[in-house]
Amino acid sequence: EPEVTQTPSHQVTQMGQEVILRCVPISNHLYFYWYRQILGQKVEFLVSFYNNEISEKSEIFDDQFSVERPDGSNFTLKIRSTKLEDSAMYFCASSEGTGRDTEAFFGQGTRLTVV
Amino acid sequence: AQRVTQPEKLLSVFKGAPVELKCNYSYSGSPELFWYVQYSRQRLQLLLRHISRESIKGFTADLNKGETSFHLKKPFAQEEDSAMYYCALKALTGGGNKLTFGTGTQLKVEL
Repeated sequence: EPEVTQTPSHQVTQMGQEVILRCVPISNHLYFYWYRQILGQKVEFLVSFYNNEISEKSEIFDDQFSVERPDGSNFTLKIRSTKLEDSAMYFCASSEGTGRDTEAFFGQGTRLTVV
Repeated sequence: AQRVTQPEKLLSVFKGAPVELKCNYSYSGSPELFWYVQYSRQRLQLLLRHISRESIKGFTADLNKGETSFHLKKPFAQEEDSAMYYCALKALTGGGNKLTFGTGTQLKVEL
């Protein structure tokens, strides 16, 4: 069964450094998402991406964040200058379509630790 | 804005006992409701959605628009049901494709 794949599984970075989290969505999916989960809190939507542009973003997704689909298979989340509060589990997801009866498939997550 | 509330952080039941994981939502438009499950060290995966009205692994959930609830039920809990369960809402009218999650309920099934 096809899966969403995320790399790395765990990333430790120093505050102020840039990080890039990588995701390979399911191949025939057209919609891509990033969510994050701070330890002990709920899974929160960050951004959705379709047709090579952001279709929706949350208040969390400020200028420090950017997303890209550089080569038609990878979908990346970049955090330009990491802060301690960016430490969280980041989940990538993809879906075939939108609306009723479409399922979002999640990756296994990347645990980002900012020290 | 939409919101999903799962009042219980932890629910502990004995094997064979009935399970009910509570979920309430707040949204003025037409919602689509889901239950996602996360087994230990595994990814979030869809358990069921209200529009399919099916039973998966013995679990069912009925959307009650009057009470704005989507509680997850299973008549007889199994040890393998121990996991984190998340209720999620997708706003079908004007909410884009994003999922709004509850805080999750850890289900622990004891022998």
